[in-house]
Amino acid sequence: AQTVTQSQPEMSVQEAETVTLSCTYDTSESDYYLFWYKQPPSRQMILVIRQEAYKQQNATENRFSVNFQKAAKSFSLKISDSQLGDAAMYFCAYRSAKNNDMRFGAGTRLTVKP
Amino acid sequence: DTAVSQTPKYLVTQMGNDKSIKCEQNLGHDTMYWYKQDSKKFLKIMFSYNNKELIINETVPNRFSPKSPDKAHLNLHINSLELGDSAVYFCASSLRGAPGEKLFFGSGTQLSVL
Repeated sequence: AQTVTQSQPEMSVQEAETVTLSCTYDTSESDYYLFWYKQPPSRQMILVIRQEAYKQQNATENRFSVNFQKAAKSFSLKISDSQLGDAAMYFCAYRSAKNNDMRFGAGTRLTVKP
Repeated sequence: DTAVSQTPKYLVTQMGNDKSIKCEQNLGHDTMYWYKQDSKKFLKIMFSYNNKELIINETVPNRFSPKSPDKAHLNLHINSLELGDSAVYFCASSLRGAPGEKLFFGSGTQLSVL
């Protein structure tokens, strides 16, 4: 079974600065998808960004970008110009192209300091 | 109109009771899931149904019984509730043939067993 590891239980960033959240995964598959979800205190699960494993180009969504290293099985999230509203739990997730289940990492709690 | 709706949002009950959580999606998806988020925020998949058929059944006590009357509904019944069942339970849905698409999550049901 695939596993997803987020090695940083907590991270902190100053407002307007940049922060990188780490994620590694273990799989024997070649075709899969990776996601970052954000969960604010409201509990809502919000998709931040997604990456197809077959694409070499790193995904970008406004202030959010990823560093996808397929050989290293690494998928980090970079948040630029951090805002107070970015404070939340961030979950890295893996989804196989073969089946439907999405597996999550343990999460990283991000604090943004004004 | 809520895409994935769960009821109730909060559930407080005594040990030993039986309770149900309901989930409905109006997105036309064919696959639905139950996830459990414990107090440490870890999100773990419990069950997955595709067109009313169980396709994922993780190591979950058999006190938990999912039921899918149709592909738009997935309910979770829990017998003989225990203290350790206290958690937030999320329902989610997706299309089986679209693994690159995000899961749509409900807002969660916070279950407290006293």
